[in-house]
Amino acid sequence: GAVVSQHPSRVICKSGTSVKIECRSLDFQATTMFWYRQFPKQSLMLMATSNEGSKATYEQGVEKDKFLINHASLTLSTLTVTSAHPEDSSFYICSASRGQNNEKLFFGSGTQLSVL
Amino acid sequence: GQSLEQPSEVTAVEGAIVQINCTYQTSGFYGLSWYQQHDGGAPTFLSYNALDGLEETGRFSSFLSRSDSYGYLLLQELQMKDSASYFCARLYSGAGSYQLTFGKGTKLSVIP
Repeated sequence: GAVVSQHPSRVICKSGTSVKIECRSLDFQATTMFWYRQFPKQSLMLMATSNEGSKATYEQGVEKDKFLINHASLTLSTLTVTSAHPEDSSFYICSASRGQNNEKLFFGSGTQLSVL
Repeated sequence: GQSLEQPSEVTAVEGAIVQINCTYQTSGFYGLSWYQQHDGGAPTFLSYNALDGLEETGRFSSFLSRSDSYGYLLLQELQMKDSASYFCARLYSGAGSYQLTFGKGTKLSVIP
């Protein structure tokens, strides 16, 4: 199956700092990548759809100035959590699709962010 | 997760069969996917149904009834390693592309 690499897997940072998370599709080109957020024992909540070469599309309630997404190439999307606060602590997961209709997503291993 | 409903927890015995049901909101509905997630891990794709009927992949099968806005995941010959959370996900058309929204997940515990 396709491989999506995400790092770092875990990051601890101080309140007010920014954190960058990288998501790479290793063996295929991903025109579209998705960023999800997951709280403990909760569902995956779609944050934004990242399109190569264009601006990301954010879901309602997600602050685009706080969660900066860049999809500069067909194999790399980045999520930057700016001026992180404790309430931003969560599990962030990226995913990419090989199919045209995105019904089958390949997920990265996730990033556990802890903001102190 | 508000547009999909699935049980929060299910317990089943090793070797048995278990069915996890999922009902979904029909607005913009295109298909239903199922994912497995072990604690601390990433979700992995199990199956996808766009049309009514049963899709079989080894021990796992998935069913969809569009007229009933309902689907289920069937796990046969349960193994201890099947203990995980299972998410149904609704594929819908939005923001210029197809997107997946996930249910809250069903935590399956397989006991000896």
